[in-house]
Amino acid sequence: DAKTTQPPSMDCAEGRAANLPCNHSTISGNEYVYWYRQIHSQGPQYIIHGLKNNETNEMASLIITEDRKSSTLILPHATLRDTAVYYCIVTETSYDKVIFGPGTSLSVIP
Amino acid sequence: KAGVTQTPRYLIKTRGQQVTLSCSPISGHRSVSWYQQTPGQGLQFLFEYFSETQRNKGNFPGRFSGRQFSNSRSEMNVSTLELGDSALYLCATHPGLSAAEQFFGPGTRLTVL
Repeated sequence: DAKTTQPPSMDCAEGRAANLPCNHSTISGNEYVYWYRQIHSQGPQYIIHGLKNNETNEMASLIITEDRKSSTLILPHATLRDTAVYYCIVTETSYDKVIFGPGTSLSVIP
Repeated sequence: KAGVTQTPRYLIKTRGQQVTLSCSPISGHRSVSWYQQTPGQGLQFLFEYFSETQRNKGNFPGRFSGRQFSNSRSEMNVSTLELGDSALYLCATHPGLSAAEQFFGPGTRLTVL
């Protein structure tokens, strides 16, 4: 079973920030939080990952709570092209039996 | 840098047949993982190969097998196809550093009739 819990779906207005939550209450000290997204019928695309510090790249920001039991992916200015299923994954290494949950289906609305 | 390549992109087979899918990783990537994606089960891990050795395996029957060649290209084989094997098969490659991200290919859409 996946080690994460995400809301099944969310809407966001175009141009606004999209905040996608993820709960991972059983995360262990050496496990990373990864985020991927999958646009319809394409392969998943890596977005960002972090261990305990907040991270930012050109796509998104990742905010991890101090107790590491939850995190939030922030897309600062959502566009229609951000409509996708977003997966939050907790894993010690990015290749070791990575378990994807059902993810959050984000719809960006004009 | 070229991305992950999967061939063929689409495939139609009948029950009982076997199929071989191919994945060519990004240059320098030594780890190749395979996933099955269906509407009912979502993305499920099949197995991972590194330096021609299967390093990790998911919970799939023995009909699903794979291998990796010395140039890191990987193939997966499904024998005695069943209707339930209809799915999008994705491969993901990885440079081998533990915390680096995976790069996914576009997938092979397999339909079993």
